[in-house]
Amino acid sequence: KQEVTQIPAALSVPEGENLVLNCSFTDSAIYNLQWFRQDPGKGLTSLLLIQSSQREQTSGRLNASLDKSSGRSTLYIAASQPGDSATYLCAHVQGAQKLVFGQGTRLTINP
Amino acid sequence: GAGVSQSPRYKVAKRGQDVALRCDPISGHVSLFWYQQALGQGPEFLTYFQNEAQLDKSGLPSDRFFAERPEGSVSTLKIQRTQQEDSAVYLCASSFSSGTTDTQYFGPGTRLTVL
Repeated sequence: KQEVTQIPAALSVPEGENLVLNCSFTDSAIYNLQWFRQDPGKGLTSLLLIQSSQREQTSGRLNASLDKSSGRSTLYIAASQPGDSATYLCAHVQGAQKLVFGQGTRLTINP
Repeated sequence: GAGVSQSPRYKVAKRGQDVALRCDPISGHVSLFWYQQALGQGPEFLTYFQNEAQLDKSGLPSDRFFAERPEGSVSTLKIQRTQQEDSAVYLCASSFSSGTTDTQYFGPGTRLTVL
């Protein structure tokens, strides 16, 4: 069974800090790696998608990297804000599009 | 221009009851997915449709779970004889085509509580 692991499960930091969320996966032959954000009571919002041929993607204060050889991806958030508080999930496509998710990192940014 | 919608948003069922959860994907999206998310966990794949064809149902946990998409748009996930372990958030997602690189757009989910 292909697995995706996210560490830490929860993280609390002061506003303004830069932070890194980690994701590791066992399948080195992934098609792509996605990072999602989930707010309480809401669905998932796609943040960044890294194709297997790429090494990183950037969107605003977010930067995601992908290292297929080591089975790792990181999500870097710069200058964190209270509005960044949410659960962050990584996932990769397996087979015909189905996503395999990690268990998520619950992030709290303290004002 | 609306996103993926799901109804009801919350459902409470007594053990043994049947429930039906509805998903309205983004108009024109070919692919539709159902995921189950237990409390504190990431979503887990249940089933996948390409238009009206159910191409993968490997994630359905038992034969009490049934999904359909008869006209290739709206989908219904039905759970028969609900059990307490069925309590979870059920998420629906759709994507424009069938390519492996397509972004999946998620609905807000239906929170099912089985008493």
